[in-house]
Amino acid sequence: DIQMTQSASSLSASVGDRVTITCRAGQSIGNYLSWYQRKPGKAPKLLIYAASSLQSGVPSRFSGSGSGTDFTLTISGLQPEDFATYSCQQSYSHPYTFGQGTKLEIK
Amino acid sequence: QVQLQESGPGLVKPSETLSLTCTISGGSINSYFWSWIRQPPGKGLEWIGYIYYTGGTNYNPSLKSRVTISVDTSKNQFSLKLGSVTAADTAVYYCARGPINLMGLSFDPWGQGTLVTVSS
Repeated sequence: DIQMTQSASSLSASVGDRVTITCRAGQSIGNYLSWYQRKPGKAPKLLIYAASSLQSGVPSRFSGSGSGTDFTLTISGLQPEDFATYSCQQSYSHPYTFGQGTKLEIK
Repeated sequence: QVQLQESGPGLVKPSETLSLTCTISGGSINSYFWSWIRQPPGKGLEWIGYIYYTGGTNYNPSLKSRVTISVDTSKNQFSLKLGSVTAADTAVYYCARGPINLMGLSFDPWGQGTLVTVSS
C-alpha cells in the first residue's frame, strides 16, 4: 500500500492568512492526488483532483500543486468557513489510501 | 445535483454482518463507479472498495475476505456487507461516487456518513 503522510496533524491560522498544507506519498504517484475538506457531520468535499485541478464550484482561493511524491494544498486568504480538516488521497494504485488529515484551527 | 445518503443499523454485534445501503438521488447510478470509505474514531479515512454500475468490483485487500459490495440499478442504490465484524470495524461509513476517470480518479460527491458501532 502507498502510505500518504500529512506531517502536520493540526495548524493554527487567522482569517485572511495564507496557509499551506503538505502531503507526501511513500512512492511516486504522478499527479494522482486529490484533496478533500471535511467538517463534522457533513459530507466530505472534493477540492482538488489530479494534484492541481480545481473542482467546479470550489473557490479560487484553494489551489494545489506538486507531482511525484510531494504535494501541497494552499488556501490564500482564509475565510471563517475554511476551518476544517483537510485530507489528501492517492489514486495511483489500489488500494487507494488517504493521509491522516490536517486540522486547520483558528488562531 | 447528485446526492448520496447512507442508511442501515447504527449498532451491530460482534461476529455479525454489517449492512449498509447508499441511495443516490438527483442522478443515475449508470456509467460510474461507486465506493465505500470509512473512518474509525481517531484514525484516517480507509477506502473499502468500489463497484461499477454493471457489477464489477474491487476491494481493499485488507478487508477483501469479509466485504461484499453490490448494486441495484433499478433502485439507484448500492450496498455494503462486512462480515465477522469486531470493535475495530466501528467507524463512520461513507458512500461516494468514484473513482471518477475524468477527475483524476477522485471521489465526488460523498454522503454525510453514518456511524456504525460494533458492540454487544
